[in-house]
Amino acid sequence: DVKVTQSSRYLVKRTGEKVFLECVQDMDHENMFWYRQDPGLGLRLIYFSYDVKMKEKGDIPEGYSVSREKKERFSLILESASTNQTSMYLCASSPFVKGLGETQYFGPGTRLLVL
Amino acid sequence: GDSVTQMEGPVTLSEEAFLTINCTYTATGYPSLFWYVQYPGEGLQLLLKATKADDKGSNKGFEATYRKETTSFHLEKGSVQVSDSAVYFCALRHSGGYQKVTFGTGTKLQVIP
Repeated sequence: DVKVTQSSRYLVKRTGEKVFLECVQDMDHENMFWYRQDPGLGLRLIYFSYDVKMKEKGDIPEGYSVSREKKERFSLILESASTNQTSMYLCASSPFVKGLGETQYFGPGTRLLVL
Repeated sequence: GDSVTQMEGPVTLSEEAFLTINCTYTATGYPSLFWYVQYPGEGLQLLLKATKADDKGSNKGFEATYRKETTSFHLEKGSVQVSDSAVYFCALRHSGGYQKVTFGTGTKLQVIP
C-alpha cells in the first residue's frame, strides 16, 4: 500500500521559531510537493521537487524553504514562523510519468498553529 | 495561467439524492483533469481522472466527463450516501513538461440520513 507520512499531525509553535515539517514517501516517486490548505482558498502550492537536491517555487514560496537530500524525504522549513503561517500543510508525491495523468498521493497533513 | 473554478459549498443533500458538483477550468493545451476527495481528518486521495477530451472517469459510483468544448469536468453521483460526506477538489495538470497540479477551492458535501 502506498504511503506518504508526515512527521506530526498537530504542531504548536511561537512566532519567530524555526519550524521543520518532514515528509517521507515509500513509493520511490521522483516528484514531491508541499501545499498549504486554507478555508476558501483550497490548496496552494508552496514548493515542489522533481529530483534529489532540485526544487522549484510554487505559487506562495515567501517565508518558506525546502530541502530534499534523499529521494524519499522532502522537508518544509519555516525560517521564522509568523501567525499568518497558521494553516494545514499537506505533502504529496507522484511518479514521473512522461505524458499526463499521474496521480498525486497525499499525506494526512500537519495542522500548524503559530502563536 | 491555469485555473480551476468549482461551485461554492457547502452542499447539503439527503441520502440517495442526485449529486452534481460543477467544475470548469482555464488552461492552454490539453490538461489532465482530476477529482480528489478529502474525508474528515485525512489528506486528499484521488477519486477519478480523465486525460483527454470525452474521456469519462469513474469510481465508487462517481463519474465525470472531460468536456473540452465547455471546459468542464462536472462530478456526478446518482445516489449519495452518508459516507460520501467529504470535501471534493477539482484539479488539472498542465500538459507542459512540469508536474504542477492546480486545485480548485474545494466543495464540502454533507449528506444527511
